[in-house]
Amino acid sequence: DTEVTQTPKHLVMGMTNKKSLKCEQHMGHRAMYWYKQKAKKPPELMFVYSYEKLSINESVPSRFSPECPNSSLLNLHLHALQPEDSALYLCASSHPPYPGGYGYTFGSGTRLTVV
Amino acid sequence: GQQLNQSPQSMFIQEGEDVSMNCTSSSIFNTWLWYKQDPGEGPVLLIALYKAGELTSNGRLTAQFGITRKDSFLNISASIPSDVGIYFCAGGGSQGNLIFGKGTKLSVKP
Repeated sequence: DTEVTQTPKHLVMGMTNKKSLKCEQHMGHRAMYWYKQKAKKPPELMFVYSYEKLSINESVPSRFSPECPNSSLLNLHLHALQPEDSALYLCASSHPPYPGGYGYTFGSGTRLTVV
Repeated sequence: GQQLNQSPQSMFIQEGEDVSMNCTSSSIFNTWLWYKQDPGEGPVLLIALYKAGELTSNGRLTAQFGITRKDSFLNISASIPSDVGIYFCAGGGSQGNLIFGKGTKLSVKP
């Protein structure tokens, strides 16, 4: 299995809703990542988990809350989002992050629309 | 912070032509990765480079990791219509994070 699976593929939520994005991989990767991508822009790093511990938080607002319950799963909990948070949210995984993340694989993303 | 300069920003070519794009940085990277992204999908890894000077091919694609570790290029030979998309270079940081270039949008005219 060489895939990163993200669910749901599309999500529409109101500004008062609470929702979660899910990401799963079975490649034995011990580093997992969340990226945010706006239209016509490159992906921007949000969070890095290394061996199930948060190692990088790129000053992301607290309305985004990541969780790594085990080495195969990564969640992103969403609460009180703003319309400008609408974007494609990408999950990725790789072998231990040094040096440079061998086997870096992205999921297909969740297209999030905040209304 | 680290930044990558990717060029060209866009290319319009005829089917069968060769394509070349590159990325440069003022910072050193441990890895260089090249991805292709179709609309609404995640980036798909084309070529990964892990050693300075490394030259790697994947079918019609060839990429090199610059000897200074500050640059990389991607060549596509004999382009076909399905090569259309956005190509991103990405440099691997010391904590596994990727720094992306701004992308090269490739259009292929049959």
